Amino acid sequence: AQSVAQPEDQVNVAEGNPLTVKCTYSVSGNPYLFWYVQYPNRGLQFLLKYITGDNLVKGSYGFEAEFNKSQTSFHLKKPSALVSDSALYFCAVREISGGYNKLIFGAGTRLAVHP
Amino acid sequence: GAGVSQSPSNKVTEKGKDVELRCDPISGHTALYWYRQSLGQGLEFLIYFQGNSAPDKSGLPSDRFSAERTGGSVSTLTIQRTQQEDSAVYLCASSDGQGGTQYFGPGTRLLVL
Repeated sequence: AQSVAQPEDQVNVAEGNPLTVKCTYSVSGNPYLFWYVQYPNRGLQFLLKYITGDNLVKGSYGFEAEFNKSQTSFHLKKPSALVSDSALYFCAVREISGGYNKLIFGAGTRLAVHP
Repeated sequence: GAGVSQSPSNKVTEKGKDVELRCDPISGHTALYWYRQSLGQGLEFLIYFQGNSAPDKSGLPSDRFSAERTGGSVSTLTIQRTQQEDSAVYLCASSDGQGGTQYFGPGTRLLVL
């Protein structure tokens, strides 16, 4: 079965500094990987995805993620953090089994960006 | 265009009562998903509808949970005889086909007293 791990419950970053939110995965076959963000009392917002192609994927709000097959990682990055980036971030992998399709989520990482 | 909408946004009910949660997917999206987000369990898959195919119910936690999707559009998640452990945020998502990106609604926050 597929699985996703987000090793950090919380990441603290000063505004203007680069940020990284870590994600590692375990899949059989080629991975389809996603990052979502959740603001307080809101649903999940899609940030970016990796299906195939370039290992560096660019997404919404200046975020990007780097797919590393040898390290089975898909870390989320941003060169310069904003206070408004403070939210809960989820990494997910798509699992297809018997023709059915669902997302398997990590536990989430809370990002706190301090002024 | 309009995103995924869910109603109600909040629901408070008494233990043992039945509840119905509604999801309106993005127009034209053939795939619809229900997930549950709770403190102890994180985000977990519940059920998946794709077109006219039989739904994937493998994530439903008990037979008190059921869902239907009428006319290939709106979906209703029903929880019978609610228990306190059913308290969670129920999220609906839709996608353009099986492989498409899933877009989520704002969720329904359910509290069972």
